[in-house]
Amino acid sequence: AQTVTQSQPEMSVQEAETVTLSCTYDTSESNYYLFWYKQPPSRQMILVIRQEAYKQQNATENRFSVNFQKAAKSFSLKISDSQLGDTAMYFCAFMKQGTSGSRLTFGEGTQLTVNP
Amino acid sequence: NAGVTQTPKFQVLKTGQSMTLQCAQDMNHNSMYWYRQDPGMGLRLIYYSASEGTTDKGEVPNGYNVSRLNKREFSLRLESAAPSQTSVYFCASSWGPENSYEQYFGPGTRLTVT
Repeated sequence: AQTVTQSQPEMSVQEAETVTLSCTYDTSESNYYLFWYKQPPSRQMILVIRQEAYKQQNATENRFSVNFQKAAKSFSLKISDSQLGDTAMYFCAFMKQGTSGSRLTFGEGTQLTVNP
Repeated sequence: NAGVTQTPKFQVLKTGQSMTLQCAQDMNHNSMYWYRQDPGMGLRLIYYSASEGTTDKGEVPNGYNVSRLNKREFSLRLESAAPSQTSVYFCASSWGPENSYEQYFGPGTRLTVT
């Protein structure tokens, strides 16, 4: 079974600054995918970024980038130029590749607050 | 496109009552999922349907049943609600079961069991 751990229950950052959210995972799989989802107060789950484990290059999406360290089983999210709208709960998630269904395993979440 | 829709948005039940949570998607996705989210925890998979006509248990299936009514609709039933089932329930869908397709989530149903 896979486990995902987010060790920072809460974080805060000043507007326009950079913040990094941590995530570690445990798996014996070699083929898998990692995701960061954002959940604002509206409760809607929004995909932020995705990383394929077979890719060495770290994924980037505008102000969002990841630091994927496969050997260390670490998958951190960096948010640059933080904006007030980035205030949300952020979840790291793991998906195993295979025929049994693309099930997601989520971490406990990190509540990020961006201060003006 | 409405995406993934869920009804109802809020529900209060008494212990022992039954109810069905409805989920529908209009993206022609093959796979659908039900998750629950408890305070201080991430989402946990209850049941999923990799394709029309199939359903499988997830991490926390006890106390729930599901029906994949057709390709669009996937319902979650609580036969005898318990206070431990107080949670926010999310439905999600994706193109297929075998790869990294993004899961699209509905807005959630907040269920309180007293």
